[in-house]
Amino acid sequence: EAGVAQSPRYKIIEKRQSVAFWCNPISGHATLYWYQQILGQGPKLLIQFQNNGVVDDSQLPKDRFSAERLKGVDSTLKIQPAKLEDSAVYLCASSPSAGGGVTEQYFGPGTRLTVT
Amino acid sequence: TQLLEQSPQFLSIQEGENLTVYCNSSSVFSSLQWYRQEPGEGPVLLVTVVTGGEVKKLKRLTFQFGDARKDSSLHITAAQPGDTGLYLCAGKPSGTYKYIFGTGTRLKVLA
Repeated sequence: EAGVAQSPRYKIIEKRQSVAFWCNPISGHATLYWYQQILGQGPKLLIQFQNNGVVDDSQLPKDRFSAERLKGVDSTLKIQPAKLEDSAVYLCASSPSAGGGVTEQYFGPGTRLTVT
Repeated sequence: TQLLEQSPQFLSIQEGENLTVYCNSSSVFSSLQWYRQEPGEGPVLLVTVVTGGEVKKLKRLTFQFGDARKDSSLHITAAQPGDTGLYLCAGKPSGTYKYIFGTGTRLKVLA
């Protein structure tokens, strides 16, 4: 079974530029997550999709970040314009389902973003 | 804001030593997970605990969920260099649907 795919793996941009990340979850997984992991810290949930609907985006900086999951499969996360503090690893994860029970998340390798 | 504190933050030990990593919160969790993350990769799930007082063993790793479901520990026996990585706990607060990740413990096991 193929895992969660993410691209690009690395990206370096200047502040105020825009950037987009792509994620292809495990086939059949209904739930997709985007996390931001700053160096040395645990991942922070940015947005959670259930199929193509948003379940939680309470920690997404909506003035500069946007995400979509068209057709309930792959997803893109965009930052426009980027700030220095956006330098982090952006992780995508998927799970078969989400809800009150135990949820097993499968993570992709992440995209390391450096904003200069 | 719910917070999961892990301790220690960093740990460097010799091969063969034992260690314990702690994950603490003031919140009650319906389930708690432990992940290991290696450089350049995403976290990989090690275990999920759901019952207060539950103990699970995975080879040399022993996971315990606190009786009150507010804390957890990970004990590694006879650590090996392959155990090196970032260990993350993640808890799902009761009544919610999402996991919150802890601050992480970076472990280095020296040969």
